[in-house]
Order: sequence, then structure tokens, then C-alpha cells
Amino acid sequence: EAGVAQSPRYKIIEKRQSVAFWCNPISGHATLYWYQQILGQGPKLLIQFQNNGVVDDSQLPKDRFSAERLKGVDSTLKIQPAKLEDSAVYLCASSPRQGLVNEQFFGPGTRLTVL
Amino acid sequence: QKEVEQDPGPLSVPEGAIVSLNCTYSNSAFQYFMWYRQYSRKGPELLMYTYSSGNKEDGRFTAQVDKSSKYISLFIRDSQPSDSATYLCAMTSFNDYKLSFGAGTTVTVRA
Repeated sequence: EAGVAQSPRYKIIEKRQSVAFWCNPISGHATLYWYQQILGQGPKLLIQFQNNGVVDDSQLPKDRFSAERLKGVDSTLKIQPAKLEDSAVYLCASSPRQGLVNEQFFGPGTRLTVL
Repeated sequence: QKEVEQDPGPLSVPEGAIVSLNCTYSNSAFQYFMWYRQYSRKGPELLMYTYSSGNKEDGRFTAQVDKSSKYISLFIRDSQPSDSATYLCAMTSFNDYKLSFGAGTTVTVRA
């Protein structure tokens, strides 16, 4: 079974530029998560999708971050404009359905550096 | 005060030693407790999952939960160099399912 795929793996941009990350979850997984993991910290949930609907985006900085999940499969996370404090690893995870806390599978992440 | 506290280490042990990791938490509603292992440049992978208080053993790994003290532990017996990674605790409550993570403890097992 293929895992969660993410691209790009690394991205370096200057502050105030825009950036987008892509995630392809495990086939058939209805729930998709985006996490932000700042160096030396645990992952923090940014947004959770159930199929193509948003379940929780309470910790998403909506003035600069946006996310969508087209057709309930792939998802993109965008930052516009980026700030220095956005430097982090952005992890995508998926699970078969909402509530399965022990069946949440993570992708390798996209490491973003904002200069 | 953070909701989940975890000593970031780093922790360095010789091969074959017992590794002891722990987290404390403040939210008494937490009922599901997990340990994730994260290798460098990789995403976290679930190692152990426990519900409520008690012990759970899986091979060389033992997870303990003490809800009265709001304290969870992970023990790794007969540690191997391949166990070198960052270990993250995570927890959530019955109605929420949003994971709260600790900062992670970086472990190095020396051959």
C-alpha cells in the first residue's frame, strides 16, 4: 500500500513570497490533515478535512494560509505572503475516517525555509 | 503552561540499555495516548497506542499511562542503534480526536 505522498520535499523562499504544498493521501482515506512542525516542537494541527469539507481550521492563520481538497482526494496548502516564522516542516496525514486516532498516517513532509 | 510537556533531551545511551521516555499533561479529559517515532527527514509513525490507564507491551516497547498523575511513559528494552530517532508523545480526548503533541525527545543509541 502506497503511503502519503507530499511535494516538494524542500522549498526555500524569501519572505513575502507565496508557496504551495501538495499532498496525495492514502487511497480511500476520507480524512486528511495538515500539520505544522516547527523545529524542536511537536506537530500542530492546521486544518482537517473530511472528504472535501473542512472539519477544523481553528489553528489555521487564515490571513495568510489557505487549503483546499479537490474532489476529496488531493490537497494543497498555500501560504501567501510568507513570514520568517513560517519556516517549518509541513506534514500531511490521512486516516480512513474521522476519529481513528490510531490510524493516522503521515507523509514525509515539506521542509520550508523562509529567508 | 503547555498542554503536553516532554523533555526534549537529547538522550544518548549505549546499545542494549533501557531507554525511558515520559510526558506530563494538564488536560484531564485526555483518554487516548500515543507514542510516535520520527526518523530524521521523515514523518512520524505510530509506535504505541493505549486507552486510559495501564500498561501495554509490544515486543521491546512498553507504554504506561498513569491518569491520576497525568503522566505517561515509554520504555525501550535492549535498545538498538536503529532506535535512534525522535520520540513524540501525543494524546487526545474522546470527543475531540485532535492530537496534542509533546515537543519530542531525541534519542541516540550508541553502537
